[in-house]
Parts: sequence; C-alpha cells; structure tokens
Amino acid sequence: ELQLVESGGGLVQPGRSLRLSCEASGFTFEHYAMHWVRQAPGKGLEWVSGISWNSGSIGYADSVKGRFTISRDNAKNSLYLQMNSLRPEDTALYYCARDSSFGQTYNWFDPWGQGTLVTVSS
Amino acid sequence: AIQMTQSPSSLSASVGDRVTITCRASQGIRNDLGWYQQKPGKAPKLLIYAASTLQSGVPSRFSGSVSGTDFTLTISSLQPDDFATYYCLQDYNYPYTFGQGTKLEIK
Repeated sequence: ELQLVESGGGLVQPGRSLRLSCEASGFTFEHYAMHWVRQAPGKGLEWVSGISWNSGSIGYADSVKGRFTISRDNAKNSLYLQMNSLRPEDTALYYCARDSSFGQTYNWFDPWGQGTLVTVSS
Repeated sequence: AIQMTQSPSSLSASVGDRVTITCRASQGIRNDLGWYQQKPGKAPKLLIYAASTLQSGVPSRFSGSVSGTDFTLTISSLQPDDFATYYCLQDYNYPYTFGQGTKLEIK
C-alpha cells in the first residue's frame, strides 16, 4: 500500500526552527520527485517546496525561500523540510506528496500524506 | 511566479447539475495543470493531470480541458460525493502555484 506519513510538527516560538519528516512506503522512493504543500487554517493550498528524485532540482515558494530547506534520504525512504526563522504566518498543516516518477512527461501529486500541524506562536 | 486565477471562489449547485470551474494562468504553461479535490479534514485527492487526463479510479463525470491559458474542470452530473473544494495546480515550473480554490456547496 502506498503510504506517506509526516511527522515533526508542533508548537514553536517565532524565530525558532523545526524539522519535518515524511516517511514513504509501498513504492520505490528513489524514483519519484517529492513535494511539501501547506494549508493554513481555513485557507487554501500553498505549494511550499519540491525536490527531484536525485536532489538535482529543487524549488521553493517565494514565501519560504531562504528560510526553508528541502532534502531527502533515498536510503531511508524519507523526505525532510528544515524550517528556520519561523513566522506566525507559517502556521499550517504541512502535507508531503509524491510526484510522478522520473521519465514521465507530466507531473501529478499522488498520493498525499495526512499532514503534520505546525503552529508558530509565542 | 506564475499566477493561477481560479473562478468562481464558491458555487452552489444541485445534484444532477453540470458545473464548470476555471483556472487562468498568467502565462503559457502548456498542459501542465492538475485538478485536486479536497474534503474537510482530508488530504487533497488527484482528479486530473496534464490538463485533461483522468486519474485512474476517478469517475468519468469529471473532465478537464484547455484553451490557451484557460483550464476548465467540468463535472457533468453532480453527485452527493462531489461537494468539496477544488483546486488547480500549475506544475509547469517552479515555484508551482495553486489556484485559490472553489468551494462547491449543495443548493
């Protein structure tokens, strides 16, 4: 069964750091690009960051560029998001999602994890 | 960054109605667009990718089309399970961007 399980969320003070993890199972993790998407309470979806299967291509939303770092460990079937200098506006449910496999012409996000909640507040 | 303008932001419809949701890209994105459905408290679900390709297992009443930079999601005959929020996502280049979402409610 395809599965993505996020962890690492919690309550953190503004300016502090947090590291999210996403553990994958049920597929060959190293063949797929991966993404982080967030959703603030009561708001829409916001793409945060993506990383190719070999970490050769990485992108960030303007809102997190310079503060967040995406990475992956294919040996551990895991995706990470290091979040520094956190702000109250980073408060959201953070989802990880699998992209299509390398060699595919098009992209799609499927499946998604259930998310981990990050709350930035003093 | 490419802007995705999604409309309407909300829509009230009845079971059996045909509905359309539109996303307009601020520049050309080929066919690099997906549609996602999200229900309260749940993760988003892929419906359509590459603008018009139906994801496996998604009912055929859902369809997608494109004309230039205008992308459309159509539900041909609304079913009770379809009341949800819908988002488009451009995956043409980084940074990827979502539309603002369309909340589909029961009339």
